[in-house]
Amino acid sequence: DSGVTQTPKHLITATGQRVTLRCSPRSGDLSVYWYQQSLDQGLQFLIQYYNGEERAKGNILERFSAQQFPDLHSELNLSSLELGDSALYFCASSVSTGQETQYFGPGTRLLVL
Amino acid sequence: GESVGLHLPTLSVQEGDNSIINCAYSNSASDYFIWYKQESGKGPQFIIDIRSNMDKRQGQRVTVLLNKTVKHLSLQIAATQPGDSAVYFCAENRNNQGGKLIFGQGTELSVKP
Repeated sequence: DSGVTQTPKHLITATGQRVTLRCSPRSGDLSVYWYQQSLDQGLQFLIQYYNGEERAKGNILERFSAQQFPDLHSELNLSSLELGDSALYFCASSVSTGQETQYFGPGTRLLVL
Repeated sequence: GESVGLHLPTLSVQEGDNSIINCAYSNSASDYFIWYKQESGKGPQFIIDIRSNMDKRQGQRVTVLLNKTVKHLSLQIAATQPGDSAVYFCAENRNNQGGKLIFGQGTELSVKP
């Protein structure tokens, strides 16, 4: 158990819908990262937040957004869902920002029908 | 595009043998590397990391070797056990990109009893 929690574990929804994925980092960690894992793209970095502020951005679609709240939990919002958004979404956390161990949560499996 | 590639997609070894998983990275500016293990249905689990000022680092039954000249990284697992069966990912972190991890495609390690 990494100490990072994610909810829900599974999510099934329809195209065009909007969903919110939630992540709680390890106690004491200030950075939260979001990654997408799909069969064709592998593990792709989406975005990083550090202490409430956006720190780094990957190839995150404009339909996707994230935020980190004062209690340091984070939410990833996915809107106007498409079939191709079906994937595993992982959250990771680390103590600070930069070159250090990132601990991953168990992931949310999203299926868009 | 950005990539951290793996030489072999699958590796099958006999229980008790040593395993070597290889990884090539593309950017000579990369200065921090991590190996993760991902078991089916779980999030990536940190194994070991190495910074570019080192060429070798050892953990419990694992060793990571870094060859900056040819931009190559390897993970050695000693006395491989059935519990080591998983997909192994190398990841690269570049200091000027915050905490963004760039993952390779992964190598599936299968341990035969």
